[in-house]
Amino acid sequence: QKEVEQNSGPLSVPEGAIASLNCTYSDRGSQSFFWYRQYSGKSPELIMSIYSNGDKEDGRFTAQLNKASQYVSLLIRDSQPSDSATYLCAVNMWAAGTALIFGKGTTLSVSS
Amino acid sequence: NAGVTQTPKFQVLKTGQSMTLQCAQDMNHNSMYWYRQDPGMGLRLIYYSASEGTTDKGEVPNGYNVSRLNKREFSLRLESAAPSQTSVYFCASHGLAGYNEQFFGPGTRLTVL
Repeated sequence: QKEVEQNSGPLSVPEGAIASLNCTYSDRGSQSFFWYRQYSGKSPELIMSIYSNGDKEDGRFTAQLNKASQYVSLLIRDSQPSDSATYLCAVNMWAAGTALIFGKGTTLSVSS
Repeated sequence: NAGVTQTPKFQVLKTGQSMTLQCAQDMNHNSMYWYRQDPGMGLRLIYYSASEGTTDKGEVPNGYNVSRLNKREFSLRLESAAPSQTSVYFCASHGLAGYNEQFFGPGTRLTVL
């Protein structure tokens, strides 16, 4: 069974705080990992991709990957109200070919 | 570059009617995908096309058919719509070998009465 698990939330943080979003996956052979942001009524937007263990930083976003623990996370520093959205974790699992398996998403709410 | 485009944006059908959802990409991508998104269920893959001329079933293919018309276009057809097919449908594409970054179209919101 190919699974990607996320806490549904909502995760509530004050403006300026660090938001931490977590994701676990079932397939140890997974190679590619992605975070998408989805605003209500809109389509998913790719914000981060990570392919190797460790951290990858892009502006206020940091993706962290630990393949041994089958865990990927997204940190959002200096959270802004505009970051309020649903964040989807997606994993390319070996058995899925080129397709991505998505988690159900974590809703983030940033209060001003 | 328009990216990934989808038509229509909204559609209301009656049970048993048929329709085709259109998707096109102008990024010269090889692979294209159709997902549906339902509350509490996340994004689920319906069908995908790894390259022009090939299509494969995803997690929830029943009730749907697809056509990869050419490299740019990938359509999804509902032959006999059912209320269970009420959903938001997203088309996506990716092109770089070894990287599976997918880019999504704006979606089609379908209601089947």
